[in-house]
Amino acid sequence: GAVVSQHPSWVICKSGTSVKIECRSLDFQATTMFWYRQFPKQSLMLMATSNEGSKATYEQGVEKDKFLINHASLTLSTLTVTSAHPEDSSFYICSARDRDMTGGLYNSPLHFGNGTRLTVT
Amino acid sequence: ILNVEQSPQSLHVQEGDSTNFTCSFPSSNFYALHWYRWETAKSPEALFVMTLNGDEKKKGRISATLNTKEGYSYLYIKGSQPEDSATYLCAFKDNYGQNFVFGPGTRLSVLP
Repeated sequence: GAVVSQHPSWVICKSGTSVKIECRSLDFQATTMFWYRQFPKQSLMLMATSNEGSKATYEQGVEKDKFLINHASLTLSTLTVTSAHPEDSSFYICSARDRDMTGGLYNSPLHFGNGTRLTVT
Repeated sequence: ILNVEQSPQSLHVQEGDSTNFTCSFPSSNFYALHWYRWETAKSPEALFVMTLNGDEKKKGRISATLNTKEGYSYLYIKGSQPEDSATYLCAFKDNYGQNFVFGPGTRLSVLP
């Protein structure tokens, strides 16, 4: 159980175009999803927290107008990289918390997608 | 900014060897620590959720301990197998906010 599907797995786009990445919880409801970026040999860095039905909360230094997050339902969050540039090339991965897990909100593990490798040429 | 470190960065062991690695985190305002295993081309998979000082958790050949007062957690793998090859991530949360901070991971390679 607790599967998170993330698409696409990889994408190559031209500079100036926009790319949408989807993160979908398949068998549970996720009121909160998290979006991370990882550069080579570095930690997963939280970009933003996506809450169903409300605006995303962005971490310091992350441009909200460039990285648009939409969490329209309890099972789907999307990250759109607008006007992508080569420096946006990175690995993007989402995680979700099961709304119905017992044991306390932060005592249940995060469920991750497989990640998306974005290359902007 | 919370600092979560993991050591070593990478590790090569022979099949059958036992191994361990460390996650270091701030020793104040502890709330929870998670361990994840991340195999190549797959999604990170939760191993342990640890919340109490002195916690010891076990899952098959893998176990973990937690010392919140000194700010570290150990992950042990007994009798490593090639299928244990993965990156092991720890994630720390303090009492504030809802976000976990991830360490950079320890990449384990088990040679047959």
